[in-house]
Amino acid sequence: RKEVEQDPGPFNVPEGATVAFNCTYSNSASQSFFWYRQDCRKEPKLLMSVYSSGNEDGRFTAQLNRASQYISLLIRDSKLSDSATYLCVVNMITGGFKTIFGAGTRLFVKA
Amino acid sequence: NAGVTQTPKFQVLKTGQSMTLQCAQDMNHNSMYWYRQDPGMGLRLIYYSASEGTTDKGEVPNGYNVSRLNKREFSLRLESAAPSQTSVYFCASSEYGTTGNTIYFGEGSWLTVV
Repeated sequence: RKEVEQDPGPFNVPEGATVAFNCTYSNSASQSFFWYRQDCRKEPKLLMSVYSSGNEDGRFTAQLNRASQYISLLIRDSKLSDSATYLCVVNMITGGFKTIFGAGTRLFVKA
Repeated sequence: NAGVTQTPKFQVLKTGQSMTLQCAQDMNHNSMYWYRQDPGMGLRLIYYSASEGTTDKGEVPNGYNVSRLNKREFSLRLESAAPSQTSVYFCASSEYGTTGNTIYFGEGSWLTVV
């Protein structure tokens, strides 16, 4: 089982739609969580950290469920510019400190 | 605001040639990393350096060497390039803060081995 798993997608949604991405992690000792965005042929960039209480940044909402070991990212009112790959990232302590990237979920937003 | 700078951006090598990818960060971060990303796949860690003077193998270190020259610079060397090393290489740096270990990436180096 992979340490961090994401739905590979792709997700194809119309503009204005709400889309949710889920990510599961295997190590219960995981400490901190992030969502990154990667545009085609570009580097990954931090989108937002994920806090235990959940957090919102404009149209983006991130949630963490430690009991079930998953995190989610909700995008409301999708824009064409949201088209990208979304990477789930987990920091964990497992024989040392590690940062694990999920393989990413591709999103296409269409007019 | 440079962040993480890596060179070259594009390179074509012949099988067996050697080359070094250079990386520098201006954020005073302790940790630096080299990742590779193949088409349609996730990031795979090649080597990392938790602090100046230390380097450790990641998930896919074979065929690569690294040097942490100082706190700012972390280079990746391919001693004898192979077609399987055709990939996009990302250098990154991080500092552990209140929200965890936030990683910042360079723009990538596109390497083709023919």
